[in-house]
Amino acid sequence: DIQLTQSPSFLSASVGDRVTITCRASQGISSYLAWFQQKPGKAPRLLIYAASTLQSGVPSRFSGSGSGTEFILTISSLQPEDYATYYCQQLDSYPRTFGGGTKVEIK
Amino acid sequence: QVQLQESGPGLVKPSETLSLTCSVSGGSISGFYWSWIRQPPGKGLEWIGYIYYSGSTNYNPSLKSRVTISLDTSKNQFSLKLNSVTAADTAVYYCARSGQYSTGRFYFDYWGQGTLVTVSS
Repeated sequence: DIQLTQSPSFLSASVGDRVTITCRASQGISSYLAWFQQKPGKAPRLLIYAASTLQSGVPSRFSGSGSGTEFILTISSLQPEDYATYYCQQLDSYPRTFGGGTKVEIK
Repeated sequence: QVQLQESGPGLVKPSETLSLTCSVSGGSISGFYWSWIRQPPGKGLEWIGYIYYSGSTNYNPSLKSRVTISLDTSKNQFSLKLNSVTAADTAVYYCARSGQYSTGRFYFDYWGQGTLVTVSS
């Protein structure tokens, strides 16, 4: 199975901050990566697919980059509604796997 | 707007079978992959498996011996059965559609709200 390691697992940031979350794959996965946002008690929401394509309806402050084994999710200016847990997910091979999550909290 | 809704018992006894159904509204089952994903309380996400609208399936090897996913296109529903459950199967179970296509892959674009299933006697 492909392992996805997210860092940090927790971060504290202020409104307006630029936030970056890294996802590293145990082997190359081309650009077959998605990012999800999950708020407490809610289902995950697709933010980015194919490593860098913004899902329809997602604010442009979210962006994704990377390929191969290292990927980054960037929030250019953190907003109050962005406090949540973020997960990466690989679609290179089966079984589909997710990263362990990064919880973004208010500083 | 596509909507998915999970239904089924919230409490299952150890060694019994967990059965859940996902009802799809606002769109057709045809043309998409339909998955089950679970999340133990306070933990991360685990993909259980999918069924394609044609009926073909793919399961996570970690659960393959205990899992069956089936489809009822006449009702626009798909279902999960997980047998011989233990406390480790306690989780929120989500159904999801893989419908966002890009360069050979279908990404999870619609999810149900999730349903908590507790395994306990």
